[in-house]
Amino acid sequence: DQQVKQNSPSLSVQEGRISILNCDYTNSMFDYFLWYKKYPAEGPTFLISISSIKDKNEDGRFTVFLNKSAKHLSLHIVPSQPGDSAVYFCAGSTSGTYKYIFGTGTRLKVLA
Amino acid sequence: DVKVTQSSRYLVKRTGEKVFLECVQDMDHENMFWYRQDPGLGLRLIYFSYDVKMKEKGDIPEGYSVSREKKERFSLILESASTNQTSMYLCASTNSNQPQHFGDGTRLSIL
Repeated sequence: DQQVKQNSPSLSVQEGRISILNCDYTNSMFDYFLWYKKYPAEGPTFLISISSIKDKNEDGRFTVFLNKSAKHLSLHIVPSQPGDSAVYFCAGSTSGTYKYIFGTGTRLKVLA
Repeated sequence: DVKVTQSSRYLVKRTGEKVFLECVQDMDHENMFWYRQDPGLGLRLIYFSYDVKMKEKGDIPEGYSVSREKKERFSLILESASTNQTSMYLCASTNSNQPQHFGDGTRLSIL
C-alpha cells in the first residue's frame, strides 16, 4: 500500500514560470511533511517542511501547501530556474517515530 | 554542517557474496537509516537505528541486516547478494527535531 503518492513522474516548465508538484497521502497519522530535492549522483537534500497545524509554509521561492481534508500537499516554486531541475520527493511522518515514508518522486525539468 | 559519508560511491559485487555498505555521520545523531532508491519506487526504508546496538526493520528488510556498534557508524549488510539488490543505497541520519540528512549514496551492482 503506497501511503505517499506522487502521481506525476515528470513535469516540464519554462524558466520563470511556476512549478507545481503534487503529493497525496493516505495515512491519517502523518502530522509532518517534507520535500527533498535530488540531483543525479547526489543524496537527497532537504528543501522545506510543514507541520499539520499549518496549511502553508514559505521559504524564498518555495512554498508548501497542505490540505488535510483532501490529504494533499503541493510544492510551488516561483519563479522556476534551470538549477531547480531535479527529482523532488515528498515524505510524510508521524511525530516521535523519526521514520519518513517517501513518495516515488517527480522529475522536474525547467527549460531555459 | 552535517556530513554523512558513505564509504563507496560505486560498488560491483557478484551473486552470493556478502556485501558491506558503510555509513558514518559526524554530528552525534542518534537516529540512522538505510534506504534504497529504485526507478518508479522512490526511497524505501530498509532498516533504521535509534541508538547504538539498536535496530528496527523498515519496509523492505528481507535479505539485509545492519550493525550499529558505534553511534557514528551504521553498516548495511547483504548476507548473500542477489541481482534484485542492484540499486542505489542511501544512508541518512537525524536527531529528533531535524530533517534527515543524506549521504551521496552507493550505487551497487550485483552481477
